[in-house]
Amino acid sequence: EIVLTQSPGTLSLSPGERATLSCRASQSVSTSYLAWYQQKPGQAPRLLIYGSSSRASDIPDRFSGSGSGTDFTLTISRLEPEDFAVYYCQQYGSSSYTFGQGTKLEIK
Amino acid sequence: QLQLQESGPGLVKPSETLSLTCTVSGGSINTYSYYWGWVRQPPGKGLEWIGSIYYSGSTYYNPSLKSRVTISVDTSKNQFSLKLSSVTAADTAVFYCARLSSSWYFFHYWGQGSLVTVSS
Repeated sequence: EIVLTQSPGTLSLSPGERATLSCRASQSVSTSYLAWYQQKPGQAPRLLIYGSSSRASDIPDRFSGSGSGTDFTLTISRLEPEDFAVYYCQQYGSSSYTFGQGTKLEIK
Repeated sequence: QLQLQESGPGLVKPSETLSLTCTVSGGSINTYSYYWGWVRQPPGKGLEWIGSIYYSGSTYYNPSLKSRVTISVDTSKNQFSLKLSSVTAADTAVFYCARLSSSWYFFHYWGQGSLVTVSS
């Protein structure tokens, strides 16, 4: 099973700042099969990025994804108040899916 | 607009079987383009994939849960279902059903979630 480790666990930033979230895999992940989600309290996760760098429909262009192999990054260029939430990465491989443990993005 | 809705008991006794159904509206479950799956989230914790099913009935399960999980599909009702046997308090979670891309393997559409508590 591929283990995804997200860092940092909590990120404290202010609106307007840039956020960089990391997702590291225990073994190589296909760039086609790495996704990112945003989850707000009491809500289901929302797909942000798939295929490592493709934005899902209706996702603002301040969200971007990058990376390959074992290291992937979600970047939010300029934080809006609605961006403060928990973010998860997810991978698919060998007919199995795993999620990272999440990064909480909180207002500083 | 595709919608998914979980339904089932909110309280299950230890050692019994948890059963949930996901009803899909706004689209057909009978399509080769997507998988259908279940994800759970214990209170205050992260997401865990439980398993997925194709419209044909092919299933894929999380190895850590495989011995206790059964996922089935009823294309005539546009529903798919989850059964988790021999539950304990550790199985208390919000259970989400979701539609997965069969090309890119991501969870695109999600239900609102159903909290299931395991307690006597």
